[in-house]
Amino acid sequence: ETGVTQTPRHLVMGMTNKKSLKCEQHLGHNAMYWYKQSAKKPLELMFVYNFKEQTENNSVPSRFSPECPNSSHLFLHLHTLQPEDSALYLCASSQVGEINEQFFGPGTRLTVL
Amino acid sequence: SQQGEEDPQALSIQEGENATMNCSYKTSINNLQWYRQNSGRGLVHLILIRSNEREKHSGRLRVTLDTSKKSSSLLITASRAADTASYFCATGDGTGTYKYIFGTGTRLKVLA
Repeated sequence: ETGVTQTPRHLVMGMTNKKSLKCEQHLGHNAMYWYKQSAKKPLELMFVYNFKEQTENNSVPSRFSPECPNSSHLFLHLHTLQPEDSALYLCASSQVGEINEQFFGPGTRLTVL
Repeated sequence: SQQGEEDPQALSIQEGENATMNCSYKTSINNLQWYRQNSGRGLVHLILIRSNEREKHSGRLRVTLDTSKKSSSLLITASRAADTASYFCATGDGTGTYKYIFGTGTRLKVLA
């Protein structure tokens, strides 16, 4: 176990549904990340939160809405997704510094019908 | 090619053999990290090498870094079936921008 948990592990949703992904880290880190991993593509950084403040938004469509209520919890709210949004969504955390080793959760496998 | 591009894309070897995979990158870096991902799961950090280091060892892992060629290699010696996974390199520029760039990975299959 890496100290980063994600729920749910699998999610199937229709294009009109609203759902949320949850991530929790038990490592005392001060930064949290959302990544999208699609088949045969590099891992894509979506959002970064540092001390609960969003510091990075990599041109992610507004149908993805992150929320970071505190430094241990991170959510990704989903609404009106498209089939091409089907992917593995990974959460990570790190202690920000010169070396930024990231600890990943197991991911949520999302399928959009 | 992309930053942090791994080569080969796929590698199949027999148990006990060594596995070598390479990573090329484009910009200046402060450090380079290798991660492993078992099928459909999160990434696990394996080893980090700083830009002023040329070689690093950790158990059966050996990482080299050539900043003049902007490339790194990961060697897994005496491979085991449990080493079957995808391996990614990630480059960081050390500026604290939190942005590590990952490649598409090398899929390693170790046959028992």
